[in-house]
Amino acid sequence: AQSVTQPDIHITVSEGASLELRCNYSYGATPYLFWYVQSPGQGLQLLLKYFSGDTLVQGIKGFEAEFKRSQSSFNLRKPSVHWSDAAEYFCAVGAGYSTLTFGKGTMLLVSP
Amino acid sequence: DADVTQTPRNRITKTGKRIMLECSQTKGHDRMYWYRQDPGLGLRLIYYSFDVKDINKGEISDGYSVSRQAQAKFSLSLESAIPNQTALYFCATSDPDRQETQYFGPGTRLLVL
Repeated sequence: AQSVTQPDIHITVSEGASLELRCNYSYGATPYLFWYVQSPGQGLQLLLKYFSGDTLVQGIKGFEAEFKRSQSSFNLRKPSVHWSDAAEYFCAVGAGYSTLTFGKGTMLLVSP
Repeated sequence: DADVTQTPRNRITKTGKRIMLECSQTKGHDRMYWYRQDPGLGLRLIYYSFDVKDINKGEISDGYSVSRQAQAKFSLSLESAIPNQTALYFCATSDPDRQETQYFGPGTRLLVL
């Protein structure tokens, strides 16, 4: 069965600083990988996804993520964080014709 | 208009009551899902449906039931609500032609007293 670990429950970043959120997955084959963001009081919005090809994927709002098979990781990055990025971020793993498994989330706090 | 809608958005009920949460979608997807979100636990899958005639239990189906009335509608019922079912509930749809990307509704916040 697939699983996802987001090691950081909370992260605080200063506005304008760079961000990296960690995600490690467990799956026997090449997975589909996703990052979703949940702003306060909102549903989940897809930031980006990886399923094949270039291991560095670009998403919305200036986010990117890199798939590293050797490390079973799919970390999310942003070069300069804005206050509006404060939200909860979820990593998810799946495979063709199956359900997704979500991590427990990382809450991002942005300090002025 | 939103592609995935959920009603109600907020609900307060009492222990032992039966309630239904409804989900509708205009995306034309065959696959639909119900999740619950609890602080620190992320999203956990309750039930999912890959088409109108296909219903499957997820990770935490006990105490819940579902009905897939049409391709566009997927309802979640709590037959006899209990306080530990207080949570945020999300409906989602997915497109197998887009690597199972899931699209979420806005959520229903349920409080069981």
